[in-house]
Amino acid sequence: GEDVEQSLFLSVREGDSSVINCTYTDSSSTYLYWYKQEPGAGLQLLTYIFSNMDMKQDQRLTVLLNKKDKHLSLRIADTQTGDSAIYFCAESIRGNTPLVFGKGTRLSVIA
Amino acid sequence: GAVVSQHPSRVICKSGTSVKIECRSLDFQATTMFWYRQFPKQSLMLMATSNEGSKATYEQGVEKDKFLINHASLTLSTLTVTSAHPEDSSFYICSARDASLGNTIYFGEGSWLTVV
Repeated sequence: GEDVEQSLFLSVREGDSSVINCTYTDSSSTYLYWYKQEPGAGLQLLTYIFSNMDMKQDQRLTVLLNKKDKHLSLRIADTQTGDSAIYFCAESIRGNTPLVFGKGTRLSVIA
Repeated sequence: GAVVSQHPSRVICKSGTSVKIECRSLDFQATTMFWYRQFPKQSLMLMATSNEGSKATYEQGVEKDKFLINHASLTLSTLTVTSAHPEDSSFYICSARDASLGNTIYFGEGSWLTVV
């Protein structure tokens, strides 16, 4: 079955790098996503990676995908207080299916 | 970039009344939209998949007569909560799939529903 797991909390100091990890169970995942949710707001798409890629970099964000271990990570360089939010990892199994979400990782950035 | 807009962002209604939430894809056509519900400090719970021009597919445990979904055009899906009860109070979020952009899924800003 489909299952996406994330650690629930992460705390880092401002200026440090944050690494949020995610594991998934379905090896047929085609797309993997990272979304950011600030308090009381909807989900903002941060980045996504196709399953045939190992890495994707976009400014301060780096996504690493290890298909063998079914492990996805999001690295935020030079973490700022504005990065404090809940980060959801999600997988899409086939093109027309809804996303399967993890429970979200609450990132707290300490000034 | 692509934007999905939800309206209203906040709504308060009385028990027993119905309320409609709209979800629009502003610069792309979305043949498929999804409706989620989110309880405080929890992840999103998929309620239904809305396909343009056909009936929505509801997840197990979601009452289709209570949560009416209509996807009449390629840019608009609506969720109507009928005969609302206080336990329906929640954060409702829609998402839309942009098939022209690698099936990327974009989310609306969410709608806070409070039933009093």
